[in-house]
Amino acid sequence: NAGVTQTPKFQVLKTGQSMTLQCAQDMNHEYMSWYRQDPGMGLRLIHYSVGAGITDQGEVPNGYNVSRSTTEDFPLRLLSAAPSQTSVYFCASSYSTKDTQYFGPGTRLTVL
Amino acid sequence: GENVEQHPSTLSVQEGDSAVIKCTYSDSASNYFPWYKQELGKRPQLIIDIRSNVGEKKDQRIAVTLNKTAKHFSLHITETQPEDSAVYFCAASKGYKLSFGAGTTVTVRA
Repeated sequence: NAGVTQTPKFQVLKTGQSMTLQCAQDMNHEYMSWYRQDPGMGLRLIHYSVGAGITDQGEVPNGYNVSRSTTEDFPLRLLSAAPSQTSVYFCASSYSTKDTQYFGPGTRLTVL
Repeated sequence: GENVEQHPSTLSVQEGDSAVIKCTYSDSASNYFPWYKQELGKRPQLIIDIRSNVGEKKDQRIAVTLNKTAKHFSLHITETQPEDSAVYFCAASKGYKLSFGAGTTVTVRA
């Protein structure tokens, strides 16, 4: 099993550009989530999904969109990048919210 | 929403000594409390978790305690080793949302 994979590993954007961060898992997990990690602030939940076709907002959803068309994939879209979105983004998956969450390797995003 | 506070933010211990990290949470309905370890440049990985119907859980040199009345939980690492140096995050969950503390950077001095 590959576990949770994320692409790209690094990305530099200009303010106003849009892009999609990819996340996939091969463990048949129903629950998937996106976090951003900033220095001194831990991990903050952006969006999550409890199954295909079901998504909801987390703690910091503004400026991001998600969709879940399959169990395996959970892409995160930045609509119009801003410097405040410079961060490390982690995708995670688990059988449920009360089971081990497995994190992907992360995407380091810089917005100029 | 849930608010998780974690202390201390940094912790330096001598190899072989114990390390203790404490977290408090705000929502009494939270019922799942995992701890994650993140090494530099790596992804967070679960090291231990506890559910609200349990007061204490141990796994080798790591233990977690939960006080539901006071709404706080702690991570205890005994006989620390250099490989324990990392950032540790506590988290609390109610329903579908997991809220993390800000993290504790643990340095084990040889």
